[in-house]
Amino acid sequence: AQSVTQLGSHVSVSEGALVLLRCNYSSSVPPYLFWYVQYPNQGLQLLLKYTSAATLVKGINGFEAEFKKSETSFHLTKPSAHMSDAAEYFCAVSPGGYQKVTFGIGTKLQVIP
Amino acid sequence: DGGITQSPKYLFRKEGQNVTLSCEQNLNHDAMYWYRQDPGQGLRLIYYSQIVNDFQKGDIAEGYSVSREKKESFPLTVTSAQKNPTAFYLCASSVDRGTGELFFGEGSRLTVL
Repeated sequence: AQSVTQLGSHVSVSEGALVLLRCNYSSSVPPYLFWYVQYPNQGLQLLLKYTSAATLVKGINGFEAEFKKSETSFHLTKPSAHMSDAAEYFCAVSPGGYQKVTFGIGTKLQVIP
Repeated sequence: DGGITQSPKYLFRKEGQNVTLSCEQNLNHDAMYWYRQDPGQGLRLIYYSQIVNDFQKGDIAEGYSVSREKKESFPLTVTSAQKNPTAFYLCASSVDRGTGELFFGEGSRLTVL
């Protein structure tokens, strides 16, 4: 069994401030972890993924996430928010292969000018 | 360009009518998936298919049907038995058999009048 918890369905930051979106997971096997971004009325786009190669994962648009096994966390960060970062972000976990991918409920990021 | 094409983008349906959402991919991916997205609930798996002529129910298959007659195509029919069909529907295919990474279409928004 696997699950994903995203803390905070809405997060607001000022432009230029640190972005921190929280994700905790549970998995009975070593997980693969993902962050996806969704802009209004569009599909999901992969930001980054953890595949056990390195615990600090860098993605597109300046985002990165750190896998912490002891905390079962995979939080998403960006040092300086940009207006274009306003979107909804989804954390997801997979046991691999063609098995089910489980998504969190999503976090809407608002960037205040 | 390779990708997933969903159509129509917007669809309105009267109660009691069946409607079919199209999903076509030219990525040569074996696995395809249908997700339903509702505000505050993340993505929920409806059906998935790992190979032509075979598919499995996801978490919320009731009131939906699919077919997989061709590798490229995975249409979803929302039947009149689906009690609350108004939602955003996302089709995806599996990019990487190892990690479960998903590649998404742009989505179809169904509204029942």
